[in-house]
Order: sequence, then structure tokens, then C-alpha cells
Amino acid sequence: EAQVTQNPRYLITVTGKKLTVTCSQNMNHEYMSWYRQDPGLGLRQIYYSMNVEVTDKGDVPEGYKVSRKEKRNFPLILESPSPNQTSLYFCASSSPATNEKLFFGSGTQLSVL
Amino acid sequence: GNSVTQMEGPVTLSEEAFLTINCTYTATGYPSLFWYVQYPGEGLQLLLKATKADDKGSNKGFEATYRKETTSFHLEKGSVQVSDSAVYFCALSDQSGGYQKVTFGTGTKLQVIP
Repeated sequence: EAQVTQNPRYLITVTGKKLTVTCSQNMNHEYMSWYRQDPGLGLRQIYYSMNVEVTDKGDVPEGYKVSRKEKRNFPLILESPSPNQTSLYFCASSSPATNEKLFFGSGTQLSVL
Repeated sequence: GNSVTQMEGPVTLSEEAFLTINCTYTATGYPSLFWYVQYPGEGLQLLLKATKADDKGSNKGFEATYRKETTSFHLEKGSVQVSDSAVYFCALSDQSGGYQKVTFGTGTKLQVIP
């Protein structure tokens, strides 16, 4: 089954404790991106990647890092999480073959205390 | 830069009522327009799309027409069901910069009551 898999689904952590949210897609998509969803603000792009080893900042990149060492994986790293990073996070992927359609993961609800 | 504005919710309707969710956009290029739907506890999934002016996207009884003159892409459904309760996001996709840049609206929550 074609899918984007995020883990974990829920995460509670404390300020300053490094964490990684994983994202993997099995559709051989070139393009992957991370969004955060906050009430009243919709989805805002954090980082995106056009292909392996090619990443760039989105609209709200501060406090986040990403890497794209393999085509299928695009982890989101919070080196020193802060309470303002409490949010619902989504990974998405697409390719020229999807005609601009984004495929989303099920989301990761992060709470930073 | 590009932006998408959609009506604030929540929108509460009775079953079989007519639905309109307004969406307007600002873009420098010629974007494609989308509606995504998010059911409780799930990720977003594509509902419909339109790639050029006057195109109509449709799916599951929902429709939206790409209106370049009014820069709008309003979502409509003639008769909503309880199962349509979800959050709806209007979005535009712009590839003029050499990559796919997707801009989302803030989302409109729809609640349909029996």
C-alpha cells in the first residue's frame, strides 16, 4: 500500500531534550516536506527536500533541522525543543508523476513541557 | 508572496443542507488550486483540484471552479452528510520557482448534525 509513515504518533517531551520525528514514504517520490499545523494558522511549511541531499528552508524553519540521506526518509530533528514547538506535525511527499498531489502522513502530535 | 484566505469556521449545518466554503488566493504565477480534507485524527487527503482558469474539480459530490477573474476557488456541495464533518483546507501549488511550493489556507471546520 502506498503510504507516508510518521513516527511517533504522539510525543511528550521536556524543553531542551533532543528528539527526532521520522518520516518514510514507499512511493519513490522525489519531493518531501514537513509542515506544522496550529489553530488559526493552518499548515505552515518547515523544510522541504527536492531530492536526496537537497533540502531548503520553508516558511518557519527556526529551531528545526532535516536531512535527506535516502530517497525514502526525511527525518525532522529538534535539537533543543521549546514549548512554542508544541504542535501537530505532518510529513508529505509528491513527485512530478503525482501531478502536484501531496501525500500526507497521519501526523505527530508533539507536546514540549 | 502567495497567500490563501478561506472563511473562518466552524461551519455547522444540518444534514442535506447546501455547503459553500469560500476561498480566495493571491499568486504571482499561474498556480494549481486544491481542496484537501482532514478527518479527525488523520492526515490531509486530496479532495479535488483544478489546474487552470475555468476548470472545475469535483469529487464525492463536492465541486469547485477555478475563477481567475475573482481569484477564487469556492468549495460547494449540494447536500452534506454527517460523514462530511471534517476540516477543509484550500491550497495553491506554484511551480514557477522551479520547485513545488504549496501554500495552505487556515482551514475551515465543518460539522454536520443529523
